[in-house]
Amino acid sequence: KAGVTQTPRYLIKTRGQQVTLSCSPISGHRSVSWYQQTPGQGLQFLFEYFSETQRNKGNFPGRFSGRQFSNSRSEMNVSTLELGDSALYLCASSAGQVKETQYFGPGTRLLVL
Amino acid sequence: GDSVTQMEGPVTLSEEAFLTINCTYTATGYPSLFWYVQYPGEGLQLLLKATKADDKGSNKGFEATYRKETTSFHLEKGSVQVSDSAVYFCARYSGAGSYQLTFGKGTKLSVIP
Repeated sequence: KAGVTQTPRYLIKTRGQQVTLSCSPISGHRSVSWYQQTPGQGLQFLFEYFSETQRNKGNFPGRFSGRQFSNSRSEMNVSTLELGDSALYLCASSAGQVKETQYFGPGTRLLVL
Repeated sequence: GDSVTQMEGPVTLSEEAFLTINCTYTATGYPSLFWYVQYPGEGLQLLLKATKADDKGSNKGFEATYRKETTSFHLEKGSVQVSDSAVYFCARYSGAGSYQLTFGKGTKLSVIP
């Protein structure tokens, strides 16, 4: 099976712009989660979607949003970018059941100038 | 809330040395426990997991046992190789109601020949 794919892999934006990141889960997986990784804060949970419904959201401002499509692909959007949004954004997919393992993609590295 | 505490590195070992990376977790609920590994410039790879007390996860010579009485999930390997150099993350997964992984801060391991 193909793994989790994320596009683009690298992105450079300027403050105030918005950005959309994409994630395609492993075939058959219905749950997609997003995490932000920074040197200072480590790995932090953004949100999780299952069958197009957001089941949980982390402690991030409303500038961070996401959605999931009927084919389980997911996008996350960050509006009005700030310098502090520079990070590696990781997407993970799972079958969505209680004890299921999350499998991660390679990430999108976002640099905000 | 849920949390994971792991020893922070960096840890530097000689090839064939014994490795232990300590990890403890908050005992809320019945979490699944994971070790993920991250190589430079890459996403997270699942190393091993355990879903209930006394389970032992193992993979590529690495082992960790789910210890409910000490709320620990320490990672061990009997003989490390240069190729094991990476950052290791301990994580707990809270299923229903949370659907998120909570990570430790990561331990950077360097193995020298």
